[in-house]
Amino acid sequence: DARVTQTPRHKVTEMGQEVTMRCQPILGHNTVFWYRQTMMQGLELLAYFRNRAPLDDSGMPKDRFSAEMPDATLATLKIQPSEPRDSAVYFCASALGVSGSPLHFGNGTRLTVT
Amino acid sequence: QQPVQSPQAVILREGEDAVINCSSSKALYSVHWYRQKHGEAPVFLMILLKGGEQKGHEKISASFNEKKQQSSLYLTASQLSYSGTYFCGTESPNTGNQFYFGTGTSLTVIP
Repeated sequence: DARVTQTPRHKVTEMGQEVTMRCQPILGHNTVFWYRQTMMQGLELLAYFRNRAPLDDSGMPKDRFSAEMPDATLATLKIQPSEPRDSAVYFCASALGVSGSPLHFGNGTRLTVT
Repeated sequence: QQPVQSPQAVILREGEDAVINCSSSKALYSVHWYRQKHGEAPVFLMILLKGGEQKGHEKISASFNEKKQQSSLYLTASQLSYSGTYFCGTESPNTGNQFYFGTGTSLTVIP
């Protein structure tokens, strides 16, 4: 059963530290999304890529967040420096990139910044 | 750009019906519905692509009114397993598959 793989599942770090989250999309999927989920904000779109090119990252705080796809099998989301307000669950999802294709989610990275 | 869902939360007894609504301020190409159980990732339920189209899967169905930019999810004869948070997701034309999720509706089914 093809699935999206995210690592790590949990991350606890101190304020000011760098955090890197990784996502392996389903093979053949050319569209990758990053979402942040908190109780207050629901599922926020941070960035998304098609064929490894960033199409929109307007939902991301640019001064501390960055997202990349170094190759078709890896997407990364980096926070530097991290702050307590970044504590959330970060989900990666991939899709075929055709309008109307369902999103397949990874299990998420639960980030706690103290 | 985030679609608005209503109600925010609903509690049902087993066997009762519920309707969850999703409304967007933008023209829509498609509407997706997902269910998320506590501590898990959202799971795809269905996609609606055309105005007025209605889809169903067992006792869960949905409709999409393209002109009104609205969709509704219908859960009939609810089961305990239906509990979770339901999200609509919307895709607008000419946005390159940019995909926004609604505000979410928490559904709790009790015995």
